Amino acid sequence: DQQVKQNSPSLSVQEGRISILNCDYTNSMFDYFLWYKKYPAEGPTFLISISSIKDKNEDGRFTVFLNKSAKHLSLHIVPSQPGDSAVYFCAALHSTSGTYKYIFGTGTRLKVLA
Amino acid sequence: EAGVTQFPSHSVIEKGQTVTLRCDPISGHDNLYWYRRVMGKEIKFLLHFVKESKQDESGMPNNRFLAERTGGTYSTLKVQPAELEDSGVYFCASSQEGPYNEQFFGPGTRLTVL
Repeated sequence: DQQVKQNSPSLSVQEGRISILNCDYTNSMFDYFLWYKKYPAEGPTFLISISSIKDKNEDGRFTVFLNKSAKHLSLHIVPSQPGDSAVYFCAALHSTSGTYKYIFGTGTRLKVLA
Repeated sequence: EAGVTQFPSHSVIEKGQTVTLRCDPISGHDNLYWYRRVMGKEIKFLLHFVKESKQDESGMPNNRFLAERTGGTYSTLKVQPAELEDSGVYFCASSQEGPYNEQFFGPGTRLTVL
């Protein structure tokens, strides 16, 4: 059973507009969330994170919003640029008994059109 | 500073053969993780080393998979004998001590079992 879900496999956006990528999770014990970006033939690279004590975290053009009651987070990219075209993975940190691992979603492929 | 490296980048083997994947983490990173992504699906956790000790191997699919991290430096993941469903991209990641430190991913090894 998937604990982190990204229901949109793909998204196309015009350059300069806002990209909104969504992620839902089921485990209310998750307290830290991350977004990773992945280009073809490369490993995922960290983009931005948010702790459950916050509802928003901003880093330049990237903002992550967390709605704990809805168990939902979203990544906003404004303005979108062609170089943002990649697969975006949402992840939750699963921490228990001194072990910790990321639980990833299936990814959303973002295409920013010039 | 060198990032996480993985070898080989691609491997094509016949069902029943053995394959060994190697990961060299970032120097000084005690935490080393293995993940796998089957095409179009989520990046799935396999196991977590702290130095040379297996902290969590709950994601290992079965006993055909064996991971080692001799001396707490590089790690190997052996699949023996390989099955068709083992095909996918195997990622290694490393991080400094603690759950909230960013996991840095390698470029992955694409394994194809025919």
